[in-house]
Amino acid sequence: DAKTTQPPSMDCAEGRAANLPCNHSTISGNEYVYWYRQIHSQGPQYIIHGLKNNETNEMASLIITEDRKSSTLILPHATLRDTAVYYCIVRVWRTGANNLFFGTGTRLTVIP
Amino acid sequence: GAVVSQHPSRVICKSGTSVKIECRSLDFQATTMFWYRQFPKKSLMLMATSNEGSKATYEQGVEKDKFLINHASLTLSTLTVTSAHPEDSSFYICSASEGTDVWGLNQPQHFGDGTRLSIL
Repeated sequence: DAKTTQPPSMDCAEGRAANLPCNHSTISGNEYVYWYRQIHSQGPQYIIHGLKNNETNEMASLIITEDRKSSTLILPHATLRDTAVYYCIVRVWRTGANNLFFGTGTRLTVIP
Repeated sequence: GAVVSQHPSRVICKSGTSVKIECRSLDFQATTMFWYRQFPKKSLMLMATSNEGSKATYEQGVEKDKFLINHASLTLSTLTVTSAHPEDSSFYICSASEGTDVWGLNQPQHFGDGTRLSIL
């Protein structure tokens, strides 16, 4: 299974862009990169996903390098409510199901 | 958007009790649902994959007789923690995805809000 590496923690000033990096150097050609976040004591919330092209939605942008070995999640204008643990996940197909395996994530703290 | 509902949100019970947790997809059908477990300040750990109409697939180290999974319909999966003990206390979370593409890799999984289980 492709593994991901993320910094354990980051701070971001409120109103500024938060750029969360992720390394996935062993990713395979048909594996998607997914981003989720988890606010304390809640279930994970889906943010965005992509295969090779950059993606944008109402929550965030996902930038994937050309060699697909790393990606960056961008929250364009961070608010205090964006404080959470952010998980970068490479989704794999294994034994008849498409599993999400969570790593340790990045704890983002948005500072007033 | 796709909504997954989990019930109950919190359970406190005595050791030896069996506890059932329900996971429902409210506005979509899910042939596959997933059950996770999370300890304090730790990441989510996949316990099992629940398939509608067939036996669940358990991850290595997860006791299938301890954690009974039933996926009787396309919108409901249940996890029963049998004869629960204090070490089973944890945060249990389910997820489901709309399986519109064959491999399901391009379809987000949506998570419930979790069930906090406390065994006294």
